[in-house]
Amino acid sequence: GAVVSQHPSRVICKSGTSVKIECRSLDFQATTMFWYRQFPKKSLMLMATSNEGSKATYEQGVEKDKFLINHASLTLSTLTVTSAHPEDSSFYICSAGGDSYEQYFGPGTRLTVT
Amino acid sequence: DAKTTQPPSMDCAEGRAANLPCNHSTISGNEYVYWYRQIHSQGPQYIIHGLKNNETNEMASLIITEDRKSSTLILPHATLRDTAVYYCIVRVPAAGNKLTFGGGTRVLVKP
Repeated sequence: GAVVSQHPSRVICKSGTSVKIECRSLDFQATTMFWYRQFPKKSLMLMATSNEGSKATYEQGVEKDKFLINHASLTLSTLTVTSAHPEDSSFYICSAGGDSYEQYFGPGTRLTVT
Repeated sequence: DAKTTQPPSMDCAEGRAANLPCNHSTISGNEYVYWYRQIHSQGPQYIIHGLKNNETNEMASLIITEDRKSSTLILPHATLRDTAVYYCIVRVPAAGNKLTFGGGTRVLVKP
């Protein structure tokens, strides 16, 4: 299957700072990318859908000004957690879809806010 | 989106077949059944998907009932590396690639 990478795999940041997570589709052009958040022992929760060149669509209850998503190219989407707080600590996972209905997931980024 | 219901957990013996059930009684005619699994601290991995017919690939088989209200994922020879959370998802074509994850089944393969 297709390969999706995330960087960094782990990040620790101080409360009040911002952190950027990158999601790349390595061998295909991703017209759509999705960002999920997962708390321990819980399921994945969709945060937003981003389409290349347009604004992201956020799920209900997700603050768009706190979780900034940029999908500037067909192979890269970024999620920036602004003014992070300890409650933002979570496992963030991206996925990418191409022209077919397949969706490929990244390995995830574990964010810890101290 | 059609909702799915899965048992929260199940154990199976290494080397034996693992049969994972999923109920999706409100599924519509054009909605696909997808299965993903997530090994601890990794991103989900695609397993298989189907619409009406049974499907098989190198990882698993998917059996969909004739009325499409339920399905079973079969891992023919479970190994310890198959220990993971398995998610059954109904995908709505109108929603594009959007997938809504439920609680999944936590499968523990025991030696």
